[in-house]
This record gives sequence, structure tokens and C-alpha cells, in this order.
Amino acid sequence: QQQVKQSPQSLIVQKGGISIINCAYENTAFDYFPWYQQFPGKGPALLIAIRPDVSEKKEGRFTISFNKSAKQFSLHIMDSQPGDSATYFCAAGYSTLTFGKGTMLLVSP
Amino acid sequence: NAGVTQTPKFQVLKTGQSMTLQCAQDMNHEYMSWYRQDPGMGLRLIHYSVGAGITDQGEVPNGYNVSRSTTEDFPLRLLSAAPSQTSVYFCATTSRGSSYNEQFFGPGTRLTVL
Repeated sequence: QQQVKQSPQSLIVQKGGISIINCAYENTAFDYFPWYQQFPGKGPALLIAIRPDVSEKKEGRFTISFNKSAKQFSLHIMDSQPGDSATYFCAAGYSTLTFGKGTMLLVSP
Repeated sequence: NAGVTQTPKFQVLKTGQSMTLQCAQDMNHEYMSWYRQDPGMGLRLIHYSVGAGITDQGEVPNGYNVSRSTTEDFPLRLLSAAPSQTSVYFCATTSRGSSYNEQFFGPGTRLTVL
């Protein structure tokens, strides 16, 4: 049973465009929703995270939008750059984290 | 500070062999976890520990053992390796005192079981 569903599996965006990755979760007990960024050959690193008491969090070009009633959250990358090309994972949890299957983002120059 | 270190970086095993993947952290974090990453499957939790002497199973624990005798170390043991355990393994740590429970991941161990 997959508790966190992530889409799309892959995404190609032109430089300067907006990248959007979506996740949906099932367990209403989850209270922490992070996004991780992973470059080839490296471990994942925390990009941005949100708690369910807010609907949006912005850090630089990265924004999480959170819809508690729909049990969905999304990552928006504004002004996407080639250096943003990586795999992105959403996750959700309370004591442990359940990860989505990942989205491979390619930002074309 | 080294953060989270994992050894070895690469390992090839034959079916039935045993081995231990090492994970060490110098961040004084109470919480440590092991994940496996397979193509198209994301990261799946194998085992985790909330402190020395305490371990618990994650989503995919079968075929793996762990122990936590110190805060710093959290080894993952494969008792009898199987080809299905071919994967990239990541160790992660978290400070329970942090506001967002950020997990810090090690660089990973790429394991191939023939």
C-alpha cells in the first residue's frame, strides 16, 4: 500500500520556467511534509518542509503549497535553472517518513 | 564534523554471503534510520532506532538485522544476501529536538548481489 503518491515520474522544463511536482498522502496522522533533492551519486538533502498548520511556505525560488482537506501538497520551483536538474522526493510522516517514488527533473538550457 | 559516514561505498556479494554496512554519525543525533533506494521505488525504510539500545522495523525489514549499542553507530547486517537486496542503501540521522525533524543522509552504499 503506497501511502504517498508522487507525480509526474519525470519532468522537462525550460530554463526560467516553473517546475511543479505533486504529492498526495493517505494517512491523516502525518504532520510533517518535506521535500528532498538528490543529485546523482549523492544522498538526498532536505530542500524545504512544511507542517499542516500552514498552507504555503516559500524559501527563495522553492515553494510548498499544502492542501490539508485534499491531502495533497506540491513543490513549485520558480525560474527553474539547469542546476535544479535532480531527482525530487516528497515525504510525509510523524515519527518516521514515507517517501514518494521520486520525480526526475531536467531543466533544459 | 564529518556528519553521516557510510562504509563501504561499493560492495559486490555472492548469494548467501553475509556482510555489515556501517553507518556512523558525529552529530549526536538520537534518531537513525536505514533506507534502501531502488529505481522507480523511492526510499523505503528498513529499520530505525530512536536511541541506543532501541530499534524497530520499517517497511521492508526482512533479510536485515540492526543493533544500536552507541549513539554514533548503527550497522545494518545482511545475514544471507539475495539478489533482491541489490540496491543503494542510505543511512540517515535526525535530531528529535529539531523543529522539523530534518533527516541528514549519508552518501550511500551501492550493493550488488550476484
